Amino acid sequence: DIVMTQSPDSLAVSLGERATINCKSSQSVLYSSNNKNYLAWYQQKPGQPPKLLIYWAATRESGVPDRFSGSGSGTDFTLTISSLQAEDVAVYYCQQYYSTPPTFGQGTRLEIK
Amino acid sequence: QVQLQESGPGLVKPSQTLSLTCTVSGGSISRGGYYWNWIRQHPGEGLEWIGNIYNSGSTYYNPSLKSRVTISVDTSENQFSLNLSSVTAADTAVYYCARAPRGGYCTTTSCFYYFDYWGQGTLVTVSS
Repeated sequence: DIVMTQSPDSLAVSLGERATINCKSSQSVLYSSNNKNYLAWYQQKPGQPPKLLIYWAATRESGVPDRFSGSGSGTDFTLTISSLQAEDVAVYYCQQYYSTPPTFGQGTRLEIK
Repeated sequence: QVQLQESGPGLVKPSQTLSLTCTVSGGSISRGGYYWNWIRQHPGEGLEWIGNIYNSGSTYYNPSLKSRVTISVDTSENQFSLNLSSVTAADTAVYYCARAPRGGYCTTTSCFYYFDYWGQGTLVTVSS
């Protein structure tokens, strides 16, 4: 299985400031046949299911605010929230879909400082 | 707008079989193009993929659970189901159903992508 490791485990950021979450995969999730990174990001708020934010490492899902962006390639990826809003408090997960079983990172808890 | 809804018992006795159903609305399973998944989340922990099914009945299972898992589909009812046998307290979790687009570019071991729609989840507790 591909192991996904996120850092940090928790993060406190002031409103309006930038939040950065990192995700590292134990092997590359870049598929050479289509040059795409098989990596997604999700947001989970308490009592709710995860919500898809980003797929193909950098493609924003429809309806997701543009303050959310994804970057990276191969084994190292980043989710950035450019200007933190109160409603962004949540746990964030990365997930690879390059190989079966798809696997998730352990999650990063984002709070307001 | 696609919606998924899990249903089934919230309490299962140890050694018995956990059975859940996911009803899909706003889209037809038989139309194809998507894999239909089960994912679970142990209390306060991360996410674990259980397995999925295509409308043809083709399945992928997580090797860690494969010996105990069966996923089936009923296209006439627009539902798919999960059976997990020989449960223990370690199977206590919130169980989600979710949709994943079928891959146009399949890697060597995977032919489905990210999870774009999720059900609200149902808590299943294993206890006598």
